[in-house]
Amino acid sequence: KAGVTQTPRYLIKTRGQQVTLSCSPISGHRSVSWYQQTPGQGLQFLFEYFSETQRNKGNFPGRFSGRQFSNSRSEMNVSTLELGDSALYLCASSLGVSNTGELFFGEGSRLTVL
Amino acid sequence: ELKVEQNPLFLSMQEGKNYTIYCNYSTTSDRLYWYRQDPGKSLESLFVLLSNGAVKQEGRLMASLDTKARLSTLHITAAVHDLSATYFCAGILSGSARQLTFGSGTQLTVLP
Repeated sequence: KAGVTQTPRYLIKTRGQQVTLSCSPISGHRSVSWYQQTPGQGLQFLFEYFSETQRNKGNFPGRFSGRQFSNSRSEMNVSTLELGDSALYLCASSLGVSNTGELFFGEGSRLTVL
Repeated sequence: ELKVEQNPLFLSMQEGKNYTIYCNYSTTSDRLYWYRQDPGKSLESLFVLLSNGAVKQEGRLMASLDTKARLSTLHITAAVHDLSATYFCAGILSGSARQLTFGSGTQLTVLP
């Protein structure tokens, strides 16, 4: 059974650019959530999508956005990149049907902003 | 707002010893998760604790949940070097579906 796939794994951008990250959840999973991990702030929730609808959003500026497609794949976009956006972005996949399920994380996309 | 506190943040222990990582949370959480993270890697799911008194064990790791005390513990028995990693606990605020709030993590180093 394939796990959660995130692409790209590593990327380098410069300030002011934008970036799009992709996440393919485990087959059959309908919920995808995104987290940012930095040494200073730790792991922080960005947003969650279920059946193409954003269900929850964390405390991040509007430069951070996302979407989910009908096949449950999700993308997140960060516009007008800032140095502080350098982080490991993790995607988590879950069935999403009940509130008791596990969340499985992908390997992450490591973004460096120069 | 749910706040999750872990302690200790850093833990060095000798092989063969036992130790416990503590995870306190501030308000009602639907369930409690434990994850392991190796350097440069993603989060590996260890345990999901759903109810008061829940206890789960896998190998040398055992996790428990006391919802009345708002406390979860991760107990390590007879530590081995392979357990060296950072361990995170995370809770979910009631009604917030799958929005995890993580603790700061406990960086565990098992010394020979």
